[in-house]
Amino acid sequence: DVKVTQSSRYLVKRTGEKVFLECVQDMDHENMFWYRQDPGLGLRLIYFSYDVKMKEKGDIPEGYSVSREKKERFSLILESASTNQTSMYLCASSQNRVGNTEAFFGQGTRLTVV
Amino acid sequence: AQKITQTQPGMFVQEKEAVTLDCTYDTSDPSYGLFWYKQPSSGEMIFLIYQGSYDQQNATEGRYSLNFQKARKSANLVISASQLGDSAMYFCAIDAGTASKLTFGTGTRLQVTL
Repeated sequence: DVKVTQSSRYLVKRTGEKVFLECVQDMDHENMFWYRQDPGLGLRLIYFSYDVKMKEKGDIPEGYSVSREKKERFSLILESASTNQTSMYLCASSQNRVGNTEAFFGQGTRLTVV
Repeated sequence: AQKITQTQPGMFVQEKEAVTLDCTYDTSDPSYGLFWYKQPSSGEMIFLIYQGSYDQQNATEGRYSLNFQKARKSANLVISASQLGDSAMYFCAIDAGTASKLTFGTGTRLQVTL
């Protein structure tokens, strides 16, 4: 069974803390993504990576950074957490190919910043 | 840039009836893919169906079909014979441009009633 695994299902962090959200996929996918999901706003792309050590900004990168040192692992970093970063975070991966580029998602991390 | 518009924040349908969830899109890329995902209350994103922009026929997957009208830039999801387990959020998404990144709409919450 193909899998994208996020390290935590629920996290509570304090304002100003550095927060790491980890994501691992076992499908040898080239592409990995971090989305944030908020009610009424759908899923918004924070960052994506199409290769090891490569990263591209998505639509809402401010306040976030990412790291991809290995193909299977993509980390999202909140340098200094703020309350407006309280949200559901979803990691996804996909193959780099023409045609159906179905993305596979992790179970999500619900982050609360207090 | 790509954009997905889902104008129905919520929908109700009776069990065993068919329902159509609306999705319109905007892109300047000649080649693109359209996706529908289901998100139950448990939070996981489940891929339902894919339509390529050059596909001649509308995509079907079991009880799901995609009503693709390219000239109108619409990609509506039709669920036939609704079941209680179909109650969930449904997201339309488009993949165009680099690295297969998906742009999502704001979603439609479907409630199936007895």
